[in-house]
Amino acid sequence: GEDVEQSLFLSVREGDSSVINCTYTDSSSTYLYWYKQEPGAGLQLLTYIFSNMDMKQDQRLTVLLNKKDKHLSLRIADTQTGDSAIYFCAEKLRNSNSGYALNFGKGTSLLVTP
Amino acid sequence: EAGVTQSPTHLIKTRGQQATLRCSPISGHTSVYWYQQALGLGLQFLLWYDEGEERNRGNFPPRFSGRQFPNYSSELNVNALELEDSALYLCASSLPVNQPQHFGDGTRLSIL
Repeated sequence: GEDVEQSLFLSVREGDSSVINCTYTDSSSTYLYWYKQEPGAGLQLLTYIFSNMDMKQDQRLTVLLNKKDKHLSLRIADTQTGDSAIYFCAEKLRNSNSGYALNFGKGTSLLVTP
Repeated sequence: EAGVTQSPTHLIKTRGQQATLRCSPISGHTSVYWYQQALGLGLQFLLWYDEGEERNRGNFPPRFSGRQFPNYSSELNVNALELEDSALYLCASSLPVNQPQHFGDGTRLSIL
């Protein structure tokens, strides 16, 4: 299938904001997700947005969706060292080939330095 | 509430053997999904089970198979193991399909 695109690496200083960007493939995707993976662990659901929304805020997390450009972003305010992890963008495909599987990007490694 | 649990945590096999991985979904979740996270390949969809039936599979050979039991737990079986099957296998569960998928911590399968 087509690729969900994410930049591979982002480094920020503690206390700054982080913005992780993603370009997804299917304009008919109904839900878009952000997951976090810490070393040796599975995926933790951070937040998700329905395709009829432009923005969603959840504590330090803000998700922005631009459907026209198929662009999704995750902003983490006041980034902490504990936020260092790999962040995956995912779209829920809805077509006869995929059922309701998630199509993931390759992940963005976020490094937060003191 | 218990999350998605997977067993074993680690599994070491040799080429040609068979592996069985297990997943218990969150209580009340009827859909179970399996994904493979191989180095350099990212997360790839393997299989989706709902209400005991296989609903869809990803682009993997038939030696990857599984089932879902009446209590909604699931097994993933991989036959005739190959070196490239070495990966983290993640299971996710959800309520009916429009709800978010929640993941377990995975089973790391190593093929020697």
